Amino acid sequence: GQNIDQPTEMTATEGAIVQINCTYQTSGFNGLFWYQQHAGEAPTFLSYNVLDGLEEKGRFSSFLSRSKGYSYLLLKELQMKDSASYLCASSSGSARQLTFGSGTQLTVLP
Amino acid sequence: DTEVTQTPKHLVMGMTNKKSLKCEQHMGHRAMYWYKQKAKKPPELMFVYSYEKLSINESVPSRFSPECPNSSLLNLHLHALQPEDSALYLCASSQTGTGALEQYFGPGTRLTVT
Repeated sequence: GQNIDQPTEMTATEGAIVQINCTYQTSGFNGLFWYQQHAGEAPTFLSYNVLDGLEEKGRFSSFLSRSKGYSYLLLKELQMKDSASYLCASSSGSARQLTFGSGTQLTVLP
Repeated sequence: DTEVTQTPKHLVMGMTNKKSLKCEQHMGHRAMYWYKQKAKKPPELMFVYSYEKLSINESVPSRFSPECPNSSLLNLHLHALQPEDSALYLCASSQTGTGALEQYFGPGTRLTVT
């Protein structure tokens, strides 16, 4: 089965750093993805991890620990436009299907 | 070109109508997906096509009928839908192979069933 947990809501201040955690239990796991979704729009890819460790892409970084079933997304130098839902998704099986967590609604305040 | 396109953007249909959603990509991806997303919920996988063959059907009711006529196109045929089927329908595509493979999402079709 698949189970993914992430916080429902987070609030942070413009210019700050925020970390969004995700825990997962996934059979046939082959990777962990982070997507950003603004209201009424499609999810857009941010980052993914296959192996343990940190992946850095500009202001966004993602970390994975396969043994702990744990990942986080780190957003630096927050901007107002970063206010969105952040979806953690595990990839599994030969078809690489994604199972999404419920999403973390991030609000960036001035 | 990293774009997945979907038509129409919005669709309103009655419970007795038959309509189709269309999805297209020209990235050479051989895996394509349909997701359903209700308001304030995450996307839920409906179907997976791999090399134009249906590989996963997540127990979706038969009033939803997918079709993959070629490697670039994916359709979702709708018939006798219920009001609770109103949602955003997302198409995605990805490469095939080993490891985790990024899925590219289209903008979605917002469906309202009256």
